[in-house]
Amino acid sequence: EIVVTQSPATLSVSPGERATLSCRASQSVSNKLAWYQQKPGQAPRLLIYGASTRATGIPARFSGSGSGTEFTLTISSLQSEDFAVYYCQQYNTFGQGTRLEIK
Amino acid sequence: EVQLVESGGGLVQPGGSLRLSCAASGFTFRTYWMHWVRQAPGKGLEWVSHIHLDGSITRYADSVKGRFTISRDNAKNTLYLQMNSLRAEDTAVYYCVRQEDYYDSDGLYSYGFDIWGQGTMVTVSS
Repeated sequence: EIVVTQSPATLSVSPGERATLSCRASQSVSNKLAWYQQKPGQAPRLLIYGASTRATGIPARFSGSGSGTEFTLTISSLQSEDFAVYYCQQYNTFGQGTRLEIK
Repeated sequence: EVQLVESGGGLVQPGGSLRLSCAASGFTFRTYWMHWVRQAPGKGLEWVSHIHLDGSITRYADSVKGRFTISRDNAKNTLYLQMNSLRAEDTAVYYCVRQEDYYDSDGLYSYGFDIWGQGTMVTVSS
């Protein structure tokens, strides 16, 4: 079974700065990786699928990259509404999440 | 509006049963794989189960295998999760989720869980 590991567990970044979140799969998953954002009390929201394609309605400041086993979610200029928990997913396996907090 | 609405959660004693329902609207339900994903209080997301378009294929997380059963009624646009022999560790918010399949210009396949319900809370406690 594939294991998906996210890092760091918590990331502190100032508004307007760039945030880089990482996700590693225990074996190659090609491009089959998705990213989600979850805010308190809300269901997760799909941000990125196919490792690098933004879902409908997702702002261009969100970008995904990588293939195989190493993936990155980048938020280019953090807005106040971006502070949340982010999960990567390889089908039936979610990473443990990265909490993005205001510095 | 594309929507998933879960119901059926509540408080149940260890060893008890519950059946969750998820009413789908705004899209052609019978053409999508569907999933249940749960989240224990203060914890991350855990995939629970999925079901094929016509219900012919199902799969479960090891943590629920043999105790939970996923099913669907495409005539009623409804997804179900029958949960038996419930344990304290099953306490969580349960989300009904739609899987969208994508193909790029080269035919490369990927997917995303693009529509989530609001979740229904299941608490297993005596």
